Amino acid sequence: EAEVAQSPRYKITEKSQAVAFWCDPISGHATLYWYRQILGQGPELLVQFQDESVVDDSQLPKDRFSAERLKGVDSTLKIQPAELGDSAMYLCASSPDRGYGYTFGSGTRLTVV
Amino acid sequence: DAKTTQPTSMDCAEGRAANLPCNHSTISGNEYVYWYRQIHSQGPQYIIHGLKNNETNEMASLIITEDRKSSTLILPHATLRDTAVYYCIVRVVDTDKLIFGTGTRLQVFP
Repeated sequence: EAEVAQSPRYKITEKSQAVAFWCDPISGHATLYWYRQILGQGPELLVQFQDESVVDDSQLPKDRFSAERLKGVDSTLKIQPAELGDSAMYLCASSPDRGYGYTFGSGTRLTVV
Repeated sequence: DAKTTQPTSMDCAEGRAANLPCNHSTISGNEYVYWYRQIHSQGPQYIIHGLKNNETNEMASLIITEDRKSSTLILPHATLRDTAVYYCIVRVVDTDKLIFGTGTRLQVFP
């Protein structure tokens, strides 16, 4: 069964450092999403891509977060500088097109110390 | 956006049916109801979705009331591996977002 790949699985970083997460969606999936999940809460959408274009980044803290999907395939989410409050699970999901169900990856658990 | 209300937690005995309720009284006519679940430390997993008719697949059944203001997810024979947080989500069709709430934590016990 096809999966959404994410790496690293776990990341510990010091505050004020830069950190990056990588996502490889299911082959052929045009739509890609990044979510953040704080412990005990549901996932919160950060950014949505359609191919290489950003469709929605209204919830992305743009002063420190950036996301790109240069060739419309894999994607990178970056945080610079990291803050203690950024500790969370970062989830990537993809779907074949808008209106279809999502498949989520296993996520990257970030701890900022 | 239509919001959903779910109980914070529920228990179910292994082998029994688990019935998870969801209230979505402000749902619009063209909005779907989706259910996902999240097992500890994993990404959410799609279960089922529906518009107004009842739906069934290999994982679960979805019962939507006639006025569409509430729904119930049914796991017919719960197992220990069904212990998870279950999210009921109303799909915002024109923006394609899935907006998660805090979900119901289902604990299946032996």
